Amino acid sequence: DVKVTQSSRYLVKRTGEKVFLECVQDMDHENMFWYRQDPGLGLRLIYFSYDVKMKEKGDIPEGYSVSREKKERFSLILESASTNQTSMYLCASSHTGLGEAFFGQGTRLTVV
Amino acid sequence: KQEVTQIPAALSVPEGENLVLNCSFTDSAIYNLQWFRQDPGKGLTSLLLIQSSQREQTSGRLNASLDKSSGRSTLYIAASQPGDSATYLCAVSKQGANSKLTFGKGITLSVRP
Repeated sequence: DVKVTQSSRYLVKRTGEKVFLECVQDMDHENMFWYRQDPGLGLRLIYFSYDVKMKEKGDIPEGYSVSREKKERFSLILESASTNQTSMYLCASSHTGLGEAFFGQGTRLTVV
Repeated sequence: KQEVTQIPAALSVPEGENLVLNCSFTDSAIYNLQWFRQDPGKGLTSLLLIQSSQREQTSGRLNASLDKSSGRSTLYIAASQPGDSATYLCAVSKQGANSKLTFGKGITLSVRP
């Protein structure tokens, strides 16, 4: 079974902290994605990566950065957490050819 | 810009009913369409993937169809059960866009015992 694992289910951070969200996949997928999900707004793409060290901005990249040093791992970084970044964060991966996306279990981040 | 719409936002049905969930998209130049299930507070579980060249896919009690020309997909759930209660999301990816998905906002289904 494809497995996408996010490092934390729940996180509470203080305003201004630097926050790291980690995601690991075990299927050798080229593509990895970070989404955030908010009530009434649905899922919105923050960043995605189609290869090691390659990244592209999604629809809402402001306030975020990413890192992909190894194929299996994709990190989302909140440079200086703010309360409006309180959200559910979802990581996904997919193989370029087939394109089926698989998601992690989500990280509920609360910034206080 | 691709837009994906799922209406209604919520649906409540009695157990045993066969039901259809709808998804529409504005740009027919899609690579594939995927249906997901999401339980409260959890991640997304992939249910069915339909490639753009396909018309339908089946898995157990689920059947998804795709009509690219009209920009529509349906997810058919046969003999619904309380355990089917969840939010169902559809998403489309664009040709040549590295599998980036555009999501609808989902339909929250409640199946009453």
